[in-house]
Amino acid sequence: AQSVSQHNHHVILSEAASLELGCNYSYGGTVNLFWYVQYPGQHLQLLLKYFSGDPLVKGIKGFEAEFIKSKFSFNLRKPSVQWSDTAEYFCAVNARSGNTGKLIFGQGTTLQVKP
Amino acid sequence: DAGVTQSPTHLIKTRGQQVTLRCSPKSGHDTVSWYQQALGQGPQFIFQYYEEEERQRGNFPDRFSGHQFPNYSSELNVNALLLGDSALYLCASSLQAGGPFVETQYFGPGTRLLVL
Repeated sequence: AQSVSQHNHHVILSEAASLELGCNYSYGGTVNLFWYVQYPGQHLQLLLKYFSGDPLVKGIKGFEAEFIKSKFSFNLRKPSVQWSDTAEYFCAVNARSGNTGKLIFGQGTTLQVKP
Repeated sequence: DAGVTQSPTHLIKTRGQQVTLRCSPKSGHDTVSWYQQALGQGPQFIFQYYEEEERQRGNFPDRFSGHQFPNYSSELNVNALLLGDSALYLCASSLQAGGPFVETQYFGPGTRLLVL
C-alpha cells in the first residue's frame, strides 16, 4: 500500500533560519508530488507540485522542493524562514497509474517560527 | 474567482444520526474529492466524483456515500454516525480536462463535525 512519511512532526526555528522538511513515500510506480500548507485558521493551500521534468520545483513564498527518485523523497526547503511561515505542512502523493485522483497525505509537520 | 466553498462550517450531531455536507467546486472545475481529517492527522481520501459518478473510493465503510450534481457541486452523506466520525471533512475540486496525470486538487475550508 502507498504511504507517505513526514519525519519531523514539530519543528521550531528562529526567523532567518533555513528550513528543510523531509517527505518520503512508498510506491514503486510513477507519482505526482505535492506540498500543501495550512496557516492558522485557514484552509489547505497548494505550495508547490511536481509532475515531471526538472526535479527541483519552485513554489510560492520562496519555497522549493527537490524530487529524488532514487530515495523516494520530496523534501521541502526554504533558505530563510519568516514568522509568517508558521503553519502546518503536508506532503502528498498520488499514483499516476490507474487514473487515480486519490491523494495520500503524510501526517503533517507543524512549523513554529520564533520572531 | 470563487474558490471551493463548503457548508456548513460546523455541525454537532449525536450518535446514530445522519449528516449531509455540501461542496461547491472552484469555478471551471468538474471533479470533487472528499477527505476526512482527524485531529493531528493528514487528510484521508474518502472518494472522488466525476461526471456524476463515484470514480474512486478510499477505505471507508458504506455509511459514507456521496453525490455529484450536474452543476458539479457535491454532497457527502454519513449515516449511523459514530463518535469516531468526528473530524474535519474537506472537499477538494480539480479539473480533468488537462488529463488524469496532471490533476491538481484545491481544497475548501472544511466542515467540522462533532458527534456526541
